Amino acid sequence: EAGVVQSPRYKIIEKKQPVAFWCNPISGHNTLYWYRQNLGQGPELLIRYENEEAVDDSQLPKDRFSAERLKGVDSTLKIQPAELGDSAVYLCASSLEQGPQETQYFGPGTRLLVL
Amino acid sequence: AQSVTQLGSHVSVSEGALVLLRCNYSSSVPPYLFWYVQYPNQGLQLLLKYTSAATLVKGINGFEAEFKKSETSFHLTKPSAHMSDAAEYFCAVTYKTGFQKLVFGTGTRLLVSP
Repeated sequence: EAGVVQSPRYKIIEKKQPVAFWCNPISGHNTLYWYRQNLGQGPELLIRYENEEAVDDSQLPKDRFSAERLKGVDSTLKIQPAELGDSAVYLCASSLEQGPQETQYFGPGTRLLVL
Repeated sequence: AQSVTQLGSHVSVSEGALVLLRCNYSSSVPPYLFWYVQYPNQGLQLLLKYTSAATLVKGINGFEAEFKKSETSFHLTKPSAHMSDAAEYFCAVTYKTGFQKLVFGTGTRLLVSP
């Protein structure tokens, strides 16, 4: 079974430029999460999807971040414009169902460096 | 709000020695607790989770953790460290009631020397 796929793995951009990250969850997983992991910290949830519906986006900085999950499968996270403080690893995860006991499966992440 | 505290940003052990990584949680309602491992340039992988069944939880790669409500702890242990255990370990907590986001600790880097 293929795991969570993310691309690109690494991205270097200049500040004020746009950037997008792509995630393909495990087949059949209805719940998809985007996390941001700053250096030396644990991941922090940005947004959670149930199928194509964003059910928790309270931590997403909506002035510059946007996300979508068309058809309830793949998802894209976008930053426009990027700021220096956005440098981090962006992790995508998926789980079969929603629910606090569900195991979340993480992708390898996209490491973003904003210069 | 729930939170976890991981004592020690770095833990060093010799190969074959006991591994003990500490995690204390704060939760006003019964928690679910998780340990994840992260190898360099990889995503997080679940080691084990506590979901209110047995308080001693066994996970992959010989790791186990014990839920102690009286101490609000969920420490991770392994009897004998292997070089391949060197990685970052994260404790995480969420609530049983409804859906609350998974809250991670700041992580503990395990270093294993020959």
